[in-house]
Amino acid sequence: QSVLTQPPSVSAAPGQKVTISCSGSSSNIGSNYVSWYRQLPGTAPKLLIYENNKRPSGIPDRFSGSKSGTSATLGITGLQTGDEADYYCGTWDNSLSAVVFGGGTKLTVL
Amino acid sequence: EVQLVESGGGLVQPGGSLRLSCAASGFTFSNYWMHWVRQAPGKGLVWVSRINTDGSTTTYADSVKGRFTISRDNAKNTMYLQMNSLRAEDTAVYYCARAESSGWYKIWGQGTLVTVSS
Repeated sequence: QSVLTQPPSVSAAPGQKVTISCSGSSSNIGSNYVSWYRQLPGTAPKLLIYENNKRPSGIPDRFSGSKSGTSATLGITGLQTGDEADYYCGTWDNSLSAVVFGGGTKLTVL
Repeated sequence: EVQLVESGGGLVQPGGSLRLSCAASGFTFSNYWMHWVRQAPGKGLVWVSRINTDGSTTTYADSVKGRFTISRDNAKNTMYLQMNSLRAEDTAVYYCARAESSGWYKIWGQGTLVTVSS
């Protein structure tokens, strides 16, 4: 069982918008930055969002991140079939002295 | 090109040992904390361990504490993970990752598969 809670799956139609939630506690999301990663099958994770809402160079502005209290959200607009992947949130946990990840959310673009 | 390349994975019997390596190139390796993250087949990402820039500070997940040892050789631009007393539940793809200032990972290796089975 993961320390951070994500929905196992989300789905939406091409061109639509989807949000993926990541719920934690005061010892992790509540007091540290959140990052988001996308993972295609058989490949390494790729950074999408860092420090809650910043995008690395090369990541389109269709991807956005936000944080409020002990929860964070990844938003993806203009969905494309190529966005089908697993998405993970991550942060540091002060109580565990460990990096913690969500269990992952599988995005299906119908 | 900034790159991390893992090696050393393979099939090992329960109770056995394995040493993973992570070779860095394209950046000043000694300036960065480095981490290991693993992913069991069909499962999510799980953090394993981290090491600071000069190797003097290490941290481990409870699940591997006392069995795994992280280290680095800045002269060789390489990080290691010595894994002892391996268990079936250690079966996973092991990724090395470069930690940025506030703990996120921009650079990941391609992963190396460790299978613990008799």
